[in-house]
Amino acid sequence: QKEVEQNSGPLSVPEGAIASLNCTYSDRGSQSFFWYRQYSGKSPELIMSIYSNGDKEDGRFTAQLNKASQYVSLLIRDSQPSDSATYLCAVKDSSNTGKLIFGQGTTLQVKP
Amino acid sequence: ETGVTQSPTHLIKTRGQQVTLRCSSQSGHNTVSWYQQALGQGPQFIFQYYREEENGRGNFPPRFSGLQFPNYSSELNVNALELDDSALYLCASSLQGYSPLHFGNGTRLTVT
Repeated sequence: QKEVEQNSGPLSVPEGAIASLNCTYSDRGSQSFFWYRQYSGKSPELIMSIYSNGDKEDGRFTAQLNKASQYVSLLIRDSQPSDSATYLCAVKDSSNTGKLIFGQGTTLQVKP
Repeated sequence: ETGVTQSPTHLIKTRGQQVTLRCSSQSGHNTVSWYQQALGQGPQFIFQYYREEENGRGNFPPRFSGLQFPNYSSELNVNALELDDSALYLCASSLQGYSPLHFGNGTRLTVT
């Protein structure tokens, strides 16, 4: 059973701080990794994708990938109250069906 | 360019009934996939359709079935509804072989 693990939280950070969200996965053949943000009652929204080892930056967001350690992370700099949401880590299954395997999500609370 | 649209937004059914959920793919996308998200969990892959054929299925029983039409829109059918089928049902479309997935707004199904 291929799995994606996240700490469910909640992770609480003060406004302006860096939030660090982590994810581990079991499928060594996976090549594509994604972070989705989900506000309460809404559908997941893609915020980052990463395919190669290292860092990828997009505005206040940085995704980090280490395939050897099977570890993906998301850093949110200058956290804002509007960043308060559940963050879902998703890994594309290596079986070539296009299937995404999701973690259960980490709830982030940014306090003013 | 329109995104993925789903209907209805909300639905209440009684245990044992049947339900059909609908999804219109993003323009140019030939693949549609369906996910079930129970409260507090990450989305779970139900199945994927490519060119009107199912080409991947998750761990869901046969009472979950689907269709993809020539215009790439899709339906998810669930027979003999159970209380545990209460969830947010998400549809996503993509171009086969390419990531990432963008979800529609979802259908919230409540089974009583």
